[in-house]
Amino acid sequence: DAGVIQSPRHEVTEMGQEVTLRCKPISGHDYLFWYRQTMMRGLELLIYFNNNVPIDDSGMPEDRFSAKMPNASFSTLKIQPSEPRDSAVYFCASSRGLAGGTYEQYFGPGTRLTVT
Amino acid sequence: AQSVAQPEDQVNVAEGNPLTVKCTYSVSGNPYLFWYVQYPNRGLQFLLKYITGDNLVKGSYGFEAEFNKSQTSFHLKKPSALVSDSALYFCAVRDHSNDYKLSFGAGTTVTVRA
Repeated sequence: DAGVIQSPRHEVTEMGQEVTLRCKPISGHDYLFWYRQTMMRGLELLIYFNNNVPIDDSGMPEDRFSAKMPNASFSTLKIQPSEPRDSAVYFCASSRGLAGGTYEQYFGPGTRLTVT
Repeated sequence: AQSVAQPEDQVNVAEGNPLTVKCTYSVSGNPYLFWYVQYPNRGLQFLLKYITGDNLVKGSYGFEAEFNKSQTSFHLKKPSALVSDSALYFCAVRDHSNDYKLSFGAGTTVTVRA
Protein backbone atom coordinates (compact mmCIF):
# COMPACT_ATOMS: atom_id res chain seq x y z
CA ASP A 1 0.00 0.00 0.00
CA ALA A 2 1.24 3.50 -0.81
CA GLY A 3 0.22 4.89 2.56
CA VAL A 4 -1.53 8.21 3.07
CA ILE A 5 -0.77 10.57 0.21
CA GLN A 6 -0.76 14.34 0.58
CA SER A 7 -0.24 17.08 -1.94
CA PRO A 8 1.40 19.43 -2.34
CA ARG A 9 4.35 18.72 -0.05
CA HIS A 10 5.23 22.39 0.10
CA GLU A 11 3.08 25.44 -0.53
CA VAL A 12 4.16 29.06 -0.43
CA THR A 13 1.46 31.64 -0.92
CA GLU A 14 0.73 35.26 -0.24
CA MET A 15 -1.62 36.48 2.42
CA GLY A 16 -5.18 36.61 1.17
CA GLN A 17 -4.84 33.80 -1.33
CA GLU A 18 -6.84 30.60 -1.25
CA VAL A 19 -4.96 27.43 -0.34
CA THR A 20 -6.17 23.88 -0.95
CA LEU A 21 -4.47 20.88 0.62
CA ARG A 22 -5.26 17.39 -0.61
CA CYS A 23 -5.25 13.96 0.97
CA LYS A 24 -5.77 10.40 -0.22
CA PRO A 25 -6.28 8.00 2.69
CA ILE A 26 -5.26 4.37 2.78
CA SER A 27 -7.74 2.21 0.93
CA GLY A 28 -10.22 0.57 3.30
CA HIS A 29 -9.78 3.12 6.06
CA ASP A 30 -13.05 4.77 6.98
CA TYR A 31 -11.71 7.46 9.32
CA LEU A 32 -9.79 10.50 8.11
CA PHE A 33 -8.18 13.15 10.28
CA TRP A 34 -6.66 16.57 9.55
CA TYR A 35 -4.01 17.89 11.95
CA ARG A 36 -1.91 21.03 12.14
CA GLN A 37 1.57 21.09 13.68
CA THR A 38 3.37 24.22 14.86
CA MET A 39 6.20 24.83 17.29
CA MET A 40 3.99 26.92 19.53
CA ARG A 41 0.88 24.73 19.68
CA GLY A 42 2.21 21.29 18.88
CA LEU A 43 -0.08 18.82 17.09
CA GLU A 44 -3.72 19.92 16.89
CA LEU A 45 -6.67 17.98 15.52
CA LEU A 46 -8.66 20.19 13.17
CA ILE A 47 -11.43 17.90 11.94
CA TYR A 48 -12.17 14.25 11.34
CA PHE A 49 -14.49 12.28 9.10
CA ASN A 50 -16.13 8.88 9.32
CA ASN A 51 -17.37 7.33 6.09
CA ASN A 52 -16.95 10.72 4.39
CA VAL A 53 -19.11 12.52 6.96
CA PRO A 54 -17.58 15.20 9.22
CA ILE A 55 -17.89 14.06 12.82
CA ASP A 56 -16.08 16.72 14.82
CA ASP A 57 -14.85 20.04 13.47
CA SER A 58 -14.37 21.73 16.82
CA GLY A 59 -10.68 22.13 16.16
CA MET A 60 -11.13 24.18 13.00
CA PRO A 61 -9.76 27.56 14.00
CA GLU A 62 -12.04 29.88 12.07
CA ASP A 63 -14.54 30.12 9.26
CA ARG A 64 -11.63 30.65 6.92
CA PHE A 65 -10.97 26.93 7.22
CA SER A 66 -13.16 24.33 5.56
CA ALA A 67 -12.78 20.62 4.84
CA LYS A 68 -14.59 18.22 2.58
CA MET A 69 -14.51 14.55 1.82
CA PRO A 70 -16.50 13.95 -1.39
CA ASN A 71 -15.63 10.24 -1.50
CA ALA A 72 -13.75 7.57 0.40
CA SER A 73 -10.48 8.22 -1.38
CA PHE A 74 -10.16 11.99 -1.31
CA SER A 75 -10.32 14.90 1.10
CA THR A 76 -9.45 18.57 0.93
CA LEU A 77 -8.63 21.22 3.50
CA LYS A 78 -9.14 24.75 2.25
CA ILE A 79 -8.04 28.05 3.74
CA GLN A 80 -9.63 31.17 2.30
CA PRO A 81 -8.27 33.76 2.75
CA SER A 82 -4.93 32.61 4.07
CA GLU A 83 -3.01 34.54 6.75
CA PRO A 84 0.63 34.37 7.90
CA ARG A 85 -0.45 32.74 11.18
CA ASP A 86 -1.74 29.78 9.16
CA SER A 87 1.85 28.83 8.38
CA ALA A 88 2.33 25.31 9.70
CA VAL A 89 2.68 21.69 8.67
CA TYR A 90 -0.68 20.11 7.93
CA PHE A 91 -1.02 16.35 8.28
CA CYS A 92 -3.67 14.01 7.08
CA ALA A 93 -4.12 10.64 8.82
CA SER A 94 -6.42 7.69 8.33
CA SER A 95 -7.43 4.62 10.28
CA ARG A 96 -9.81 1.72 10.32
CA GLY A 97 -12.90 2.23 12.40
CA LEU A 98 -13.76 -1.18 13.73
CA ALA A 99 -12.91 -2.71 17.12
CA GLY A 100 -13.97 0.34 19.07
CA GLY A 101 -11.27 2.61 17.83
CA THR A 102 -8.31 0.49 18.78
CA TYR A 103 -6.71 0.85 15.42
CA GLU A 104 -3.78 3.23 15.08
CA GLN A 105 -3.77 6.21 12.77
CA TYR A 106 -1.44 6.33 9.78
CA PHE A 107 -0.06 9.73 8.91
CA GLY A 108 0.83 11.23 5.56
CA PRO A 109 4.11 13.09 4.98
CA GLY A 110 2.47 16.46 5.56
CA THR A 111 2.14 19.71 3.64
CA ARG A 112 4.40 22.53 4.78
CA LEU A 113 2.43 25.76 4.26
CA THR A 114 4.11 29.14 4.31
CA VAL A 115 1.96 32.25 4.02
CA THR A 116 3.89 35.45 3.41
CA ALA B 1 -11.46 15.29 29.14
CA GLN B 2 -8.44 13.29 28.09
CA SER B 3 -4.88 14.54 28.08
CA VAL B 4 -1.28 13.44 27.94
CA ALA B 5 1.82 14.91 29.54
CA GLN B 6 5.37 14.34 28.39
CA PRO B 7 7.40 15.92 31.19
CA GLU B 8 10.70 16.05 29.32
CA ASP B 9 11.20 18.25 26.28
CA GLN B 10 14.51 16.56 25.53
CA VAL B 11 16.24 13.30 26.37
CA ASN B 12 19.92 12.77 25.62
CA VAL B 13 21.57 9.37 25.83
CA ALA B 14 24.73 7.70 24.58
CA GLU B 15 24.46 5.00 21.96
CA GLY B 16 24.14 1.60 23.56
CA ASN B 17 22.59 2.96 26.74
CA PRO B 18 18.97 2.42 27.75
CA LEU B 19 16.47 4.95 26.53
CA THR B 20 13.31 5.98 28.39
CA VAL B 21 10.75 8.54 27.25
CA LYS B 22 8.14 9.37 29.86
CA CYS B 23 4.40 9.78 29.41
CA THR B 24 1.54 10.20 31.85
CA TYR B 25 -2.10 10.36 30.91
CA SER B 26 -5.49 11.43 32.20
CA VAL B 27 -8.78 9.93 31.04
CA SER B 28 -12.17 9.39 32.57
CA GLY B 29 -12.37 5.75 31.59
CA ASN B 30 -10.03 3.05 30.39
CA PRO B 31 -7.29 4.38 28.14
CA TYR B 32 -6.08 3.40 24.72
CA LEU B 33 -2.43 4.54 24.56
CA PHE B 34 -0.15 5.02 21.57
CA TRP B 35 3.44 6.00 20.83
CA TYR B 36 4.48 7.64 17.58
CA VAL B 37 7.87 8.76 16.25
CA GLN B 38 8.53 11.63 13.88
CA TYR B 39 11.75 11.97 11.93
CA PRO B 40 12.70 15.36 10.45
CA ASN B 41 10.42 16.48 7.63
CA ARG B 42 8.35 13.31 7.90
CA GLY B 43 4.92 12.36 9.16
CA LEU B 44 4.32 10.52 12.41
CA GLN B 45 5.00 6.79 12.38
CA PHE B 46 3.19 4.37 14.68
CA LEU B 47 5.45 2.51 17.12
CA LEU B 48 3.15 0.62 19.48
CA LYS B 49 -0.11 0.70 21.39
CA TYR B 50 -1.73 -0.51 24.56
CA ILE B 51 -5.37 -1.53 24.36
CA THR B 52 -5.79 -4.21 27.00
CA GLY B 53 -4.03 -7.25 28.39
CA ASP B 54 -0.32 -7.53 29.15
CA ASN B 55 1.05 -4.30 30.61
CA LEU B 56 4.30 -4.65 28.65
CA VAL B 57 3.78 -3.89 24.98
CA LYS B 58 6.40 -4.53 22.31
CA GLY B 59 6.54 -2.53 19.13
CA SER B 60 8.63 -1.58 16.13
CA TYR B 61 12.42 -1.05 16.05
CA GLY B 62 12.99 -2.74 19.41
CA PHE B 63 10.83 -0.34 21.39
CA GLU B 64 8.56 -1.38 24.21
CA ALA B 65 6.31 0.43 26.66
CA GLU B 66 4.91 -0.40 30.05
CA PHE B 67 1.39 0.49 31.03
CA ASN B 68 1.05 1.35 34.73
CA LYS B 69 -2.52 2.02 35.73
CA SER B 70 -1.81 3.07 39.31
CA GLN B 71 0.71 5.67 38.14
CA THR B 72 -1.26 6.52 34.98
CA SER B 73 1.93 6.18 33.00
CA PHE B 74 2.97 4.64 29.69
CA HIS B 75 6.73 5.11 29.40
CA LEU B 76 8.53 4.18 26.19
CA LYS B 77 11.73 2.20 26.52
CA LYS B 78 14.52 0.74 24.47
CA PRO B 79 17.26 -1.36 26.10
CA SER B 80 20.05 -0.16 23.81
CA ALA B 81 19.63 3.09 21.91
CA LEU B 82 20.94 3.72 18.40
CA VAL B 83 21.97 7.00 16.80
CA SER B 84 19.18 6.40 14.31
CA ASP B 85 16.64 6.56 17.16
CA SER B 86 17.22 10.32 17.35
CA ALA B 87 13.80 11.81 16.59
CA LEU B 88 10.70 13.41 18.09
CA TYR B 89 8.47 11.06 20.07
CA PHE B 90 4.79 11.56 20.79
CA CYS B 91 2.55 9.83 23.30
CA ALA B 92 -1.19 9.83 22.60
CA VAL B 93 -4.31 8.70 24.43
CA ARG B 94 -7.98 8.23 23.85
CA ASP B 95 -10.70 7.25 26.22
CA HIS B 96 -12.34 4.05 25.03
CA SER B 97 -15.74 5.57 25.73
CA ASN B 98 -14.94 8.69 23.75
CA ASP B 99 -15.08 9.23 20.05
CA TYR B 100 -12.12 8.54 17.83
CA LYS B 101 -10.12 11.61 18.77
CA LEU B 102 -6.56 11.16 19.99
CA SER B 103 -4.95 13.62 22.38
CA PHE B 104 -1.22 14.01 21.74
CA GLY B 105 1.49 15.11 24.11
CA ALA B 106 3.83 17.97 23.27
CA GLY B 107 6.54 15.59 22.18
CA THR B 108 10.00 14.66 23.45
CA THR B 109 13.10 15.16 21.35
CA VAL B 110 15.49 12.25 21.71
CA THR B 111 19.13 12.68 20.82
CA VAL B 112 21.39 9.64 20.83
CA ARG B 113 25.07 10.53 20.63
CA ALA B 114 27.64 8.20 19.15
